[in-house]
Amino acid sequence: QKEVEQDPGPLSVPEGAIVSLNCTYSNSAFQYFMWYRQYSRKGPELLMYTYSSGNKEDGRFTAQVDKSSKYISLFIRDSQPSDSATYLCAMSALIYGNKLVFGAGTILRVKS
Amino acid sequence: NAGVMQNPRHLVRRRGQEARLRCSPMKGHSHVYWYRQLPEEGLKFMVYLQKENIIDESGMPKERFSAEFPKEGPSILRIQQVVRGDSAAYFCASIRGSTEAFFGQGTRLTVV
Repeated sequence: QKEVEQDPGPLSVPEGAIVSLNCTYSNSAFQYFMWYRQYSRKGPELLMYTYSSGNKEDGRFTAQVDKSSKYISLFIRDSQPSDSATYLCAMSALIYGNKLVFGAGTILRVKS
Repeated sequence: NAGVMQNPRHLVRRRGQEARLRCSPMKGHSHVYWYRQLPEEGLKFMVYLQKENIIDESGMPKERFSAEFPKEGPSILRIQQVVRGDSAAYFCASIRGSTEAFFGQGTRLTVV
C-alpha cells in the first residue's frame, strides 16, 4: 500500500463545474498538507497549505483536511479551462524532517 | 516558484557520462530538497540539504548519485555513469519556514 493514494484520473469536467480532488493516507503522523498544481513540463506550484484538520479557502479553491479519516480534499469552484493541469497532494511531518510525500497526481481537464 | 532557479532545463547525456544539475534556492532560503519525477508518477524524495550539510539522503540511490550545497553557489545533484533508467525530471525545492516548499521548473534529463 502506498503511503499516499490519489486517483490518477483523468477527470474531465465542463467549464463552470465544481471539482473535487481527493487523497487518502496511511501515516497518522502527517501534520502538514499541501496541494500543488503542475502544468505540463513545468514545476509544481504551491496552491494551498494547511496544518492539521480543518478548512482553508483561497479564492475559488478550498482545502479540507480530515485527520480522523486520513482524507484530504481540494475543491475548485467555477472551474476554468486554465485549471486544466495535474494536481498533486503532498504531506509532511516534523518527525520526518518535513520531507514531502506526494500522491501520484490527478489529471484534470476542464472543457470549454 | 519562479524564484527557484534550476539549470539546465534540458540535459541529454550518453550512457556512462556524468550529469550535473544545479539549483539556486529563493533568496534567503538555506534549505533545499531534490525530487525525481518519472512519467505519470508523483515526485519522489531524494535528498534534503542545508548549506554545507546533508540532512537526509534516505531517498538517494546508494551508488552513482551525490548531492551538495556549498556555502557559496548553487546546490548540485550529480549523477555519475548515467543509465537509461536515470531519465526523468529532477526538481529542486527551497523551503520557507519549516514546511512550505517552492519548486523550480526542473531539469529534464534524457539518457541516450
